[in-house]
Amino acid sequence: DSGVTQTPKHLITATGQRVTLRCSPRSGDLSVYWYQQSLDQGLQFLIQYYNGEERAKGNILERFSAQQFPDLHSELNLSSLELGDSALYFCASSARQGWETQYFGPGTRLLVL
Amino acid sequence: GESVGLHLPTLSVQEGDNSIINCAYSNSASDYFIWYKQESGKGPQFIIDIRSNMDKRQGQRVTVLLNKTVKHLSLQIAATQPGDSAVYFCAENGGNAGNMLTFGGGTRLMVKP
Repeated sequence: DSGVTQTPKHLITATGQRVTLRCSPRSGDLSVYWYQQSLDQGLQFLIQYYNGEERAKGNILERFSAQQFPDLHSELNLSSLELGDSALYFCASSARQGWETQYFGPGTRLLVL
Repeated sequence: GESVGLHLPTLSVQEGDNSIINCAYSNSASDYFIWYKQESGKGPQFIIDIRSNMDKRQGQRVTVLLNKTVKHLSLQIAATQPGDSAVYFCAENGGNAGNMLTFGGGTRLMVKP
């Protein structure tokens, strides 16, 4: 158990819908990262937050957004969902923002029908 | 763009043998490298990391070797056990803003009893 929690574990929805994925980092960690894992793209970095502020952005679609709250939990919002958004979404956390180990949560499996 | 890749998609070894998983990276600015293990249905689990000022680092039954000249990273697992069966990913943090990781495509390690 990494100490990072993610909810829900599974999510099934329809195209065009919007969903919110939630992540709680390890106790004391200030950075949260979101990754998408699909069969054809592998693990792709989406976005990083550090202590409530956006720190780095990767290949995140404009339909996707995230935020980190004062209690340091984070939410990833996915809107106007398409079939191709079906994937595993992982959250990771680290103590700060430098060369540090990122610990991954168990992931949320999203299926868009 | 810059990427991290793996030479072999599947590696099959006999229980008790040593395993070597290889990874090539192309970003010469990369200064931090990590190996993760991912079991079916779980998030990536940290195994070992190495910084660019090191050539070798050892953990419990695992060793990571870094050859900056040819931009090559390897993970050696001693006395491979059935529990080592998983997909292994290398990742690099190319000195970018924040701490985003770029992952390789993964190698599946299968341990035969």
